Amino acid sequence: LAKTTQPISMDSYEGQEVNITCSHNNIATNDYITWYQQFPSQGPRFIIQGYKTKVTNEVASLFIPADRKSSTLSLPRVSLSDTAVYYCLVGASGTYKYIFGTGTRLKVLA
Amino acid sequence: DTEVTQTPKHLVMGMTNKKSLKCEQHMGHRAMYWYKQKAKKPPELMFVYSYEKLSINESVPSRFSPECPNSSLLNLHLHALQPEDSALYLCASSQRDDEKLFFGSGTQLSVL
Repeated sequence: LAKTTQPISMDSYEGQEVNITCSHNNIATNDYITWYQQFPSQGPRFIIQGYKTKVTNEVASLFIPADRKSSTLSLPRVSLSDTAVYYCLVGASGTYKYIFGTGTRLKVLA
Repeated sequence: DTEVTQTPKHLVMGMTNKKSLKCEQHMGHRAMYWYKQKAKKPPELMFVYSYEKLSINESVPSRFSPECPNSSLLNLHLHALQPEDSALYLCASSQRDDEKLFFGSGTQLSVL
């Protein structure tokens, strides 16, 4: 199973772009990369998923280099409500065994 | 309907009690999951059901007993829990193993 490594915490100011990088050196060929957001006392919420290159949706972008050993979640123009923990998960390749890493605690300051 | 519904939202139980947590989804997902989350820690995988069969048990103590009565429902039966079992219990579902997980809001469990 691919293990993920993320920074423990990050601070940013409102209106800035935030980039959170996840390392997954032993990602398997069939694995997808998925990012989740979690607020206190709530379940994680899906943000974005990708396999390679770049994926963009209405809330974020996901950049995946050609070797797929890392990925970067980009949040444009963050607001106070983006203060949360962000988790990078690497797909389970047929096992359903989704293991969460430590996540990145993002704090957005006014 | 893109929701996973968990009941109850809060539960307080004694160490000799028997209780059950319930989870329901109507998205037609064929995989359902139980996670346990302690404060300021990531969710820890406990059990996975795939097509109503238990496919993963992450060496969870037998005082936790999962049940999947049908493709929409997932239960977690609790018996003789310990205070250290106090945590947020999260249910999730997915269509396939390469699909995104949909999580419920969780049950905050306190064991006294």
